[in-house]
Amino acid sequence: AQSVAQPEDQVNVAEGNPLTVKCTYSVSGNPYLFWYVQYPNRGLQFLLKYITGDNLVKGSYGFEAEFNKSQTSFHLKKPSALVSDSALYFCAVSYNTNAGKSTFGDGTTLTVKP
Amino acid sequence: DGGITQSPKYLFRKEGQNVTLSCEQNLNHDAMYWYRQDPGQGLRLIYYSQIVNDFQKGDIAEGYSVSREKKESFPLTVTSAQKNPTAFYLCASSKGQSNQPQHFGDGTRLSIL
Repeated sequence: AQSVAQPEDQVNVAEGNPLTVKCTYSVSGNPYLFWYVQYPNRGLQFLLKYITGDNLVKGSYGFEAEFNKSQTSFHLKKPSALVSDSALYFCAVSYNTNAGKSTFGDGTTLTVKP
Repeated sequence: DGGITQSPKYLFRKEGQNVTLSCEQNLNHDAMYWYRQDPGQGLRLIYYSQIVNDFQKGDIAEGYSVSREKKESFPLTVTSAQKNPTAFYLCASSKGQSNQPQHFGDGTRLSIL
């Protein structure tokens, strides 16, 4: 069984400030972790993934995420937020024997204010 | 450009009517997926297919049906048995391995008349 939790429904930050969107997971076995972004009335866009190796993963649009095995977390970060980063963010988890299926969190709405 | 195309963007269903949502991909992906998105509930898996002529139920398959006759196409039928079909439906595809991301279409919004 696998699950993922995004403990914050909403995150508000000021433009130029660092942002963090939190994600914790539960999976039997080694996890594969993903972040996606969704803009209104659009599909999800892939941002970055952790498979193995370096715990700090860099992705699109200046985003990065840190894998922490002991805390079973995979928080999304960006050093300096832009107003255009405002969107709905989803964390997802899969593992090696689940046929490519991912389990998605409920999403976190990020609002960046000018 | 390669991608996933969902049509129509908006769809209206009358009571007791079946409707079919189209999903086509030209990414040469083996696996395809259908999700339902409701506000505040994230994505829930309806059906998925790892290979042509084969598909499996996801977490909320009741009231839905699919087919996978071609690699490129994975249509979803919302039947009259689905009592609460109003939602945003997303189709995705991937190479099929668990360490690969999914690529999504831009969705179909289904409403009841």
